Amino acid sequence: NAGVTQTPKFQVLKTGQSMTLQCAQDMNHNSMYWYRQDPGMGLRLIYYSASEGTTDKGEVPNGYNVSRLNKREFSLRLESAAPSQTSVYFCASSDPGYYGYTFGSGTRLTVV
Amino acid sequence: EDQVTQSPEALRLQEGESSSLNCSYTVSGLRGLFWYRQDPGKGPEFLFTLYSAGEEKEKERLKATLTKKESFLHITAPKPEDSATYLCAVPGANSSNTGKLIFGQGTTLQVKP
Repeated sequence: NAGVTQTPKFQVLKTGQSMTLQCAQDMNHNSMYWYRQDPGMGLRLIYYSASEGTTDKGEVPNGYNVSRLNKREFSLRLESAAPSQTSVYFCASSDPGYYGYTFGSGTRLTVV
Repeated sequence: EDQVTQSPEALRLQEGESSSLNCSYTVSGLRGLFWYRQDPGKGPEFLFTLYSAGEEKEKERLKATLTKKESFLHITAPKPEDSATYLCAVPGANSSNTGKLIFGQGTTLQVKP
């Protein structure tokens, strides 16, 4: 099925460990996004990529880095995980100027 | 500051009991208001886009309406399968064409049989 695929679905990290969250879309969308979702905070934009080769910071970028590997793939890296990064992470994609995002199923990350 | 506020945070209905969810927004130059449905453990799923005051969109038991300051998601004769969290979002005023959406905190709807 066409859509956005995120891996892994679940992850537990120790404080200070690093990891990369993977996201791939097969809808030929130009724009991709990483959001985090926390209780009472809603969805907050971490980073986005308007097109292949470009990335920009969103609302809460501290502690994260991203790579737009190609048009399909957009990864999110935590270099030194902190408990405050415990959250559910969603990747999404869309065509430029169209805000009907397609979301992945999310990665539930716990940092202990 | 661009802001989206949803109310109530949670809503419990009996099957067949109609109600409305509210989404109020403050953003200059509205370029659309978006409704999503999110089931537990899943990503948000796109429902509707509204672009101008007075516009309405319908899908099964759901009808979304838009005014200059808020949007309503009306649920008519809900069924248990309508239970989910409903999110609304607007493009930020400074987002140009990069599609950065600002989301409300959501309303969690539970419909009991």
